[in-house]
Amino acid sequence: GNSVTQMEGPVTLSEEAFLTINCTYTATGYPSLFWYVQYPGEGLQLLLKATKADDKGSNKGFEATYRKETTSFHLEKGSVQVSDSAVYFCALIPLLYAGKSTFGDGTTLTVKP
Amino acid sequence: EAGVVQSPRYKIIEKKQPVAFWCNPISGHNTLYWYRQNLGQGPELLIRYENEEAVDDSQLPKDRFSAERLKGVDSTLKIQPAELGDSAVYLCASSSGTGSAEAFFGQGTRLTVV
Repeated sequence: GNSVTQMEGPVTLSEEAFLTINCTYTATGYPSLFWYVQYPGEGLQLLLKATKADDKGSNKGFEATYRKETTSFHLEKGSVQVSDSAVYFCALIPLLYAGKSTFGDGTTLTVKP
Repeated sequence: EAGVVQSPRYKIIEKKQPVAFWCNPISGHNTLYWYRQNLGQGPELLIRYENEEAVDDSQLPKDRFSAERLKGVDSTLKIQPAELGDSAVYLCASSSGTGSAEAFFGQGTRLTVV
């Protein structure tokens, strides 16, 4: 079956530090890959996505590249801010089963001033 | 544009009691999802609707859970009777299509069964 594995948290960084949150997946074929963010007390929001190999999704300074050879979609940001503190979820939607998304368990990021 | 609206935000019930959650998706979104999110985990799909048809309910525990989406707009998820293990956040999401279409999530309903 399909699965998504994220690096375990929590992750605590100082402001302006570099962020990497690892995500690897297992799926049949070529799924679409997503990063969602959940701020305290709010619902999940799409942060970025990539729909085919070598695509790079980017938004709000965050980036992730779809790596088919390593089945990975790591999230990166060059300089985090306190406002980036949230829970980040990696997710996939398989090509053949449109809409049946699978989420990772989430990684909690805390950025300290 | 209004987002996905869910109610109530919080619900505390005793075990064996019934409970219902309501979701109003974004206008024009044909696809509606119900997810369950346990503490410290990612959301797990319970059921997906295309308009008023449930096209994927394989993860819905049908002995106690039911859902409906009358007229292909609003949706209700019901649990009867609730068990302690049902305590979780229940998320509703909608999208304008399937495949790689972005899903928009509501704020969720936090259910506590005591």
